[in-house]
Formats: sequence, C-alpha cells, structure tokens
Amino acid sequence: KAGVTQTPRYLIKTRGQQVTLSCSPISGHRSVSWYQQTPGQGLQFLFEYFSETQRNKGNFPGRFSGRQFSNSRSEMNVSTLELGDSALYLCASSSGQGGTYNEQFFGPGTRLTVL
Amino acid sequence: AQSVTQPDIHITVSEGASLELRCNYSYGATPYLFWYVQSPGQGLQLLLKYFSGDTLVQGIKGFEAEFKRSQSSFNLRKPSVHWSDAAEYFCAVATSGGSYIPTFGRGTSLIVHP
Repeated sequence: KAGVTQTPRYLIKTRGQQVTLSCSPISGHRSVSWYQQTPGQGLQFLFEYFSETQRNKGNFPGRFSGRQFSNSRSEMNVSTLELGDSALYLCASSSGQGGTYNEQFFGPGTRLTVL
Repeated sequence: AQSVTQPDIHITVSEGASLELRCNYSYGATPYLFWYVQSPGQGLQLLLKYFSGDTLVQGIKGFEAEFKRSQSSFNLRKPSVHWSDAAEYFCAVATSGGSYIPTFGRGTSLIVHP
C-alpha cells in the first residue's frame, strides 16, 4: 500500500497570506489527523476528521481549519498567516474505527515557512 | 490533562553501546503510552505501544520499553545502537475511551558516534 502523502512538501508564504495543505491517507483509511510541529511548542494536535466530519479539535485559533472529502483526502487551511505559523505540518491517517485504538501512520509533512 | 516529559533534549552514544531514553508521564488513570521515531525529513513511525498487560513491551528495530506505574515512567531501551538509529524520539500518552489522540513529549535527539 502507498503511504500517506502530503503536498506540497515545502511552502514559503508571507504574513497575511493564506495557505492550503493537502493530505492523501492510506487507501481504506477514513480518519485523518493534523499536527503542527515547531521547535518551541513541539508536536501539537490540530484536528481529526473522520468520514468528512471533524471528530476532535486541538487548541488552535479559528485561523486553522480543515476539511475532509468523500474519498478521505483532507486539506487544512491557515488564513492570515503569522510568523509563528512557520512549522512542519504532519498528517496522519488511520482506519478510524471509534472506541478502539487504530495505529496512526504519518506522512512526511509539509514544511511551511512564513516570511 | 495528560502530559509527557522527556528530560533529555540530546543523548550521544557510541555505536554498539546500550541506550536508554527517559519518559515520564502525568495522567490519573492507566495511560496508553507510545514511542515514535522521526528521521530527518520523515514523518513519525511508531516503535511500540503499551496499553495493558506485560509491562515490558517489545517493538520494532530491536527497541523495548518498560512501563513502571510507581515511577510514572516509560523508558525506551536498546541493547546495542546502530548508526541508523540516529533520529528524534518522541514519547506520547493518550487516554482510553476516546479517540486515542496522543500528547507528545518534546522529543530526545539521539546522536550516534561511530
């Protein structure tokens, strides 16, 4: 099976712009989670989508949003970019069955730099 | 809320030496514990997990970890380190009954000298 893919791998934006990142999960996986990784804050959970619905949400401002499509592909959007949004954004997919543990498989990430 | 502490930011070992990476967690009930590894330019890969049962857990790549409730610890060990083990290692804790979203430690960077 192909792994989790994220596009683009690298992105440079300026403050105030918006950005959209894409994640394609492993075939058959219905859950997609997003994480932000920075040197200062470490790995932080953004949100999780399952069957096109947001199932869990981390503690991030409303500028961070996401969605999931019927084919389980997911996008996350960050509006009005700030310098502090520079980070590695990781996507992880799992089968997503509720109430039981499902191993998450991570993509290589999108490196976002905000100038 | 649960939290994870990895007290060592960097660890340097010689190839062939043994390794122990420390992890302490804070959570009132029985935690679900994980160790992940992240190589440069890569996403995270699950090394092993503990949910219940035997407190010594075997993982991939020759790693093991021991859950010690009395010490709130879940230290990762490997008897003989290879140069390819150089990477960032993350301990994580999740709660049961939910969607098992992990809370990560800040990570320990492993440097392996030849």
